[in-house]
Amino acid sequence: AQSVTQLDSQVPVFEEAPVELRCNYSSSVSVYLFWYVQYPNQGLQLLLKYLSGSTLVESINGFEAEFNKSQTSFHLRKPSVHISDTAEYFCAVSNTGNQFYFGTGTSLTVIP
Amino acid sequence: NAGVTQTPKFRILKIGQSMTLQCTQDMNHNYMYWYRQDPGMGLKLIYYSVGAGITDKGEVPNGYNVSRSTTEDFPLRLELAAPSQTSVYFCASSYSQEQFFGPGTRLTVL
Repeated sequence: AQSVTQLDSQVPVFEEAPVELRCNYSSSVSVYLFWYVQYPNQGLQLLLKYLSGSTLVESINGFEAEFNKSQTSFHLRKPSVHISDTAEYFCAVSNTGNQFYFGTGTSLTVIP
Repeated sequence: NAGVTQTPKFRILKIGQSMTLQCTQDMNHNYMYWYRQDPGMGLKLIYYSVGAGITDKGEVPNGYNVSRSTTEDFPLRLELAAPSQTSVYFCASSYSQEQFFGPGTRLTVL
C-alpha cells in the first residue's frame, strides 16, 4: 500500500506572504499525485494534479506543485496568499488502479 | 450536471440503529468511493466500486456495507451504529484519475 505524509498539520501565514505545504509519499511504482482543497463544511475540490510530463503543475488560482521523484515529494507553493486561501489542503497519491490514498491534511490559515 | 449528490446532510443516530447514506452521480463514472473523515486523520477509504455489481473493501470497512446495482448509485449501509462511526462521510466518483466529491454527510451516533 502507498502512504502519504503531510508534515505540517497547521500552517499560519500572513496575507501576501509565500507559503509551502509539504507532502511526501511512499511508493515503489509509478504514481499520480494530487492536491485537494476543502473549504469549511464542503467536500474536497481538486486543486491540481500531476499525471505525467512537466514536473511543475499549476492551478488557476496561483498555486503550483513540483513532482520530485528522487525525494518522493510533491510540495504545494504559492508566492502570495490571500485570505480566501484559508482552507484545509490534502495531498493524495493514486496508482493506476484508481485507488487514492490521502494525507492527514494541512490547515492553512491566512492572517490579515 | 449535478455531479455527486449525497443525502442526508446531517443525521443523529442512537447506538444500535441502522441507516443508509445515499450517493448518486450523474457523470456516468464507473469508479465510486466512500470515505470517512475524522479530525486530524484525513480521509480513510471504506469501500469502493469499479462498476455496477462490483464492490471491494477499503482500509476501514468494518461496520459498513455497500451495494452497486446501477452505475449512478452507491449507497452505504450502517447496520448497528456505534459511537466510533461518528464522522463525516464523503462519497466520490472518478474518471481518468480525477475524483469528484459530494458535499458530505455529517453523522453523529449517541
